[in-house]
Amino acid sequence: SAVISQKPSRDICQRGTSLTIQCQVDSQVTMMFWYRQQPGQSLTLIATANQGSEATYESGFVIDKFPISRPNLTFSTLTVSNMSPEDSSIYLCSVASGLTGGYTFGSGTRLTVV
Amino acid sequence: QKEVEQDPGPLSVPEGAIVSLNCTYSNSAFQYFMWYRQYSRKGPELLMYTYSSGNKEDGRFTAQVDKSSKYISLFIRDSQPSDSATYLCATHYGGATNKLIFGTGTLLAVQP
Repeated sequence: SAVISQKPSRDICQRGTSLTIQCQVDSQVTMMFWYRQQPGQSLTLIATANQGSEATYESGFVIDKFPISRPNLTFSTLTVSNMSPEDSSIYLCSVASGLTGGYTFGSGTRLTVV
Repeated sequence: QKEVEQDPGPLSVPEGAIVSLNCTYSNSAFQYFMWYRQYSRKGPELLMYTYSSGNKEDGRFTAQVDKSSKYISLFIRDSQPSDSATYLCATHYGGATNKLIFGTGTLLAVQP
């Protein structure tokens, strides 16, 4: 299955600022997925990123708040914009695991907004 | 009603015990079912991936799916302290839809 490198692993940010999270995959993949994991809650899909097209956002998530780039088949970024304490969460990228089924996740970015 | 319900625990068992973790789901259209293990400060790691009703075994782990009752289980035999983690069930519709629907996760502690 694919190996995903995600960075930064954690960050503490001031409210009103933005943070860009990077996700690098060791193989070419069509779709990359961005999830949010809030304390005590389920992982929730933010958006699906396809190379060469705009990301598809889930209900409750908007491009202005979570802009995504997908410049090639192995890399994607998620930006959390104009942050507030409510954005404190773990953000994870994911790709399909191919023949093994299921999905592989990065190690996550633990974001704290103060 | 949540699409996938999972008891958050925590669940504490002695080493060597058989652990049973469970989820229920509401939508009979879900086709694929997964169990993930997540250690503290790590991303989820795929443990089991199943499609049909019945059992799937991998070492000490057995995944069970009962589509008639919309119930999925993960059994861990001879549990070890290294099994201490959060276990997440997940499902999706299959086909072109890749969105995973997760339970909230069950925190398991295996005491030595």
